[in-house]
Amino acid sequence: DGGITQSPKYLFRKEGQNVTLSCEQNLNHDAMYWYRQDPGQGLRLIYYSQIVNDFQKGDIAEGYSVSREKKESFPLTVTSAQKNPTAFYLCASSATGRAVEQFFGPGTRLTVL
Amino acid sequence: EDKVVQSPLSLVVHEGDTVTLNCSYEVTNFRSLLWYKQEKKAPTFLFMLTSSGIEKKSGRLSSILDKKELFSILNITATQTGDSAVYLCAADNYGQNFVFGPGTRLSVLP
Repeated sequence: DGGITQSPKYLFRKEGQNVTLSCEQNLNHDAMYWYRQDPGQGLRLIYYSQIVNDFQKGDIAEGYSVSREKKESFPLTVTSAQKNPTAFYLCASSATGRAVEQFFGPGTRLTVL
Repeated sequence: EDKVVQSPLSLVVHEGDTVTLNCSYEVTNFRSLLWYKQEKKAPTFLFMLTSSGIEKKSGRLSSILDKKELFSILNITATQTGDSAVYLCAADNYGQNFVFGPGTRLSVLP
């Protein structure tokens, strides 16, 4: 079964702690993306990566960091510098080189107490 | 600045009604326009449009793209309560990234 997995599904953390959200795909996609979604709003791009060992900031990268050491994995760290981290986080992937759709993982709901 | 605008932001209809959702876009290097349906979890893919004037259809849903006027519409005929969701429109910025609109929240009442 090909797809994207994200873990955990729900995450609770205390203010000031760094947390890392996992995203893994077995679709052999080169490109991977992280989005943040707040209630009643669309998706805002945090970071994206078109290839291993390379990534670019999206519209709201401040307070977040990523790595892309393997093609299959694109973890997102929410640092203590992110002022309002409580949100729904979605990971996506897509092929590159032609017009294709993005495939989304099930999401991680992060709540900072 | 790349942007995607959707209208209306919210819509309430009754079962059996027909709805039209609008999406306009402005991106640096447009490649395709995508529609997704989101029901409290991950968005699910509906359509990808790359050419103007060619309607894509899936059951009661259809969509068309106008690359000259930079917009797309999503039509849903004979709406059902199961169509209640947020409909997201996204522009593929030629492999750089995907720019999403704010979504249209559709509520279909029985």
